[in-house]
Amino acid sequence: DAGVIQSPRHEVTEMGQEVTLRCKLISGHNSLFWYRQTMMRGLELLIYFNNNVPIDDSGMPEDRFSAKMPNASFSTLKIQPSEPRDSAVYFCASSLGASNSPLHFGNGTRLTVT
Amino acid sequence: AQSVTQLDSHVSVSEGTPVLLRCNYSSSYSPSLFWYVQHPNKGLQLLLKYTSAATLVKGINGFEAEFKKSETSFHLTKPSAHMSDAAEYFCVVSDQTGRRALTFGSGTRLQVQP
Repeated sequence: DAGVIQSPRHEVTEMGQEVTLRCKLISGHNSLFWYRQTMMRGLELLIYFNNNVPIDDSGMPEDRFSAKMPNASFSTLKIQPSEPRDSAVYFCASSLGASNSPLHFGNGTRLTVT
Repeated sequence: AQSVTQLDSHVSVSEGTPVLLRCNYSSSYSPSLFWYVQHPNKGLQLLLKYTSAATLVKGINGFEAEFKKSETSFHLTKPSAHMSDAAEYFCVVSDQTGRRALTFGSGTRLQVQP
């Protein structure tokens, strides 16, 4: 089991550019979560999916952020246009979906927007 | 509604001495509780979980936690700290509704002195 795989590990981009973060779930998992971590705000849930359907996107900061699950094992988080305040570490996590199932986290993507 | 409070933002211990990381929670439902550990530049890793079975839960790397409903606490302990335990620790509560809402604590940074 390779675990949750995120790419890229690091992304540096200029303000205004589009950024796409990618996540591959653990095989068999059916819930997918995107989190953002900063020193100031800690871990914030952006959005989560169950069986490819977005269940709660109330944490998505604004319309510049969008997330998709084109299939059961893959997800993208897109920021367009990016801004310096989007700089953070973005984590993807997957689980089997039951409320007492633990989350399995990827190693994150460190995004820097200059 | 649910919430989780980690009572210490930083804890420093000497190698070989006991570790205590404190967590209090509130939940409208019977909660599931988790402890995660995050090492630098890594994702969060599950240490242990409580899901209404035994109140004393044993996890990986010698950690354990005790669920105390009367005190609404779920403190993390380890008898003897190791240098490799230095990391950030997160207490997490899930209220077990179908909506799968997880709430993360703000984290406790554990330092282990030689």
